[in-house]
Amino acid sequence: SQKIEQNSEALNIQEGKTATLTCNYTNYSPAYLQWYRQDPGRGPVFLLLIRENEKEKRKERLKVTFDTTLKQSLFHITASQPADSATYLCALPRSGTYKYIFGTGTRLKVLA
Amino acid sequence: DTGVSQDPRHKITKRGQNVTFRCDPISEHNRLYWYRQTLGQGPEFLTYFQNEAQLEKSRLLSDRFSAERPKGSFSTLEIQRTEQGDSAMYLCASSSQAETQYFGPGTRLTVL
Repeated sequence: SQKIEQNSEALNIQEGKTATLTCNYTNYSPAYLQWYRQDPGRGPVFLLLIRENEKEKRKERLKVTFDTTLKQSLFHITASQPADSATYLCALPRSGTYKYIFGTGTRLKVLA
Repeated sequence: DTGVSQDPRHKITKRGQNVTFRCDPISEHNRLYWYRQTLGQGPEFLTYFQNEAQLEKSRLLSDRFSAERPKGSFSTLEIQRTEQGDSAMYLCASSSQAETQYFGPGTRLTVL
């Protein structure tokens, strides 16, 4: 069956460091992958989309990579700030359907 | 605010009661999704509308759940004969032709 795996353990890093979050998937060949941010008690907010023919995408301090051979996406936040503390979700469209599959998310805490 | 809105934000009900949630998507967004999210999990797809047509429904969705989008604008999600296992955050998202989903703040349901 198709699965998405994100590290369910919280990631704590010092302010100013680069945070790296991982999204692995199996039995998928997605045309693209998305990353969302979710704060407690709120809906997810779209951050970045990367397509299968793109190796890397950047937006301000955010960078996403997509390795279709490893079936993995890495999400980087450079020069992290306490305001970056949140849960980060990856999502994939399920081929042949209108459905999106979300990972469980990784909770990031940036320590001042 | 021109974002996705959901009403109510919180609902407490007794087991066996029916509840109805409303979602108002971003105007002119023809795609609308409903998700359910429990603590520590990512959003789980429930159903998808394109305009007024319900094009996909999760197999996990029991017959107690029904959704409508009568005029292709707002949508309602009804849960009949609620059970304690229905307690969750119910999220609505909308999108245009692009893949980006814009989520509402969610409705938190507690079934006693």
